Amino acid sequence: NAGVTQTPKFRVLKTGQSMTLLCAQDMNHEYMYWYRQDPGMGLRLIHYSVGEGTTAKGEVPDGYNVSRLKKQNFLLGLESAAPSQTSVYFCASSSGETLNTEAFFGQGTRLTVV
Amino acid sequence: GDSVTQMEGPVTLSEEAFLTINCTYTATGYPSLFWYVQYPGEGLQLLLKATKADDKGSNKGFEATYRKETTSFHLEKGSVQVSDSAVYFCALRGGTNAGKSTFGDGTTLTVKP
Repeated sequence: NAGVTQTPKFRVLKTGQSMTLLCAQDMNHEYMYWYRQDPGMGLRLIHYSVGEGTTAKGEVPDGYNVSRLKKQNFLLGLESAAPSQTSVYFCASSSGETLNTEAFFGQGTRLTVV
Repeated sequence: GDSVTQMEGPVTLSEEAFLTINCTYTATGYPSLFWYVQYPGEGLQLLLKATKADDKGSNKGFEATYRKETTSFHLEKGSVQVSDSAVYFCALRGGTNAGKSTFGDGTTLTVKP
């Protein structure tokens, strides 16, 4: 009963390094999302996808790229990490059949950029 | 665009107190409304939802009613427990941008014994 799985759970990067966060869901959901969560700022949408092969920008897309080559996976890339990208990142997915279905979240990735 | 405004926290209550967390929204069309809960160190999980006006969502003693006339979806619980300590997020889906959910900033609840 995996649901949404994020890897890694923790990571420390040096400024300028790159990395990819992986999100995998086993619920055959069409929609997938990447959020960042910062103290006092709630959840902010970075990028999202409404189906395999599609991506779209959210509220705070700068400094991030995404890919959805397979329906079950949604990758978030940081090409050149900056301290401002220190955050907790959450992936979520939801069904596309009806819009009254909830989002299912992963456990989060705590990223620190030093 | 769509937006969700939650009452600011943090909120601190004694066990068995009554809880209200206010949530109002702005959206076009007829969105569905949700409350999510985030326990320490975990991701968000659905607490309850309502999909049309006057619907009441309920779960684990929590309730919220979809009020279209006041564009509100306030969360209530009659008697909170220490285990209810968490961050609560109000959210909508199906407004201007149908493919996305819009979240409030979250309200931190601490319940003391």
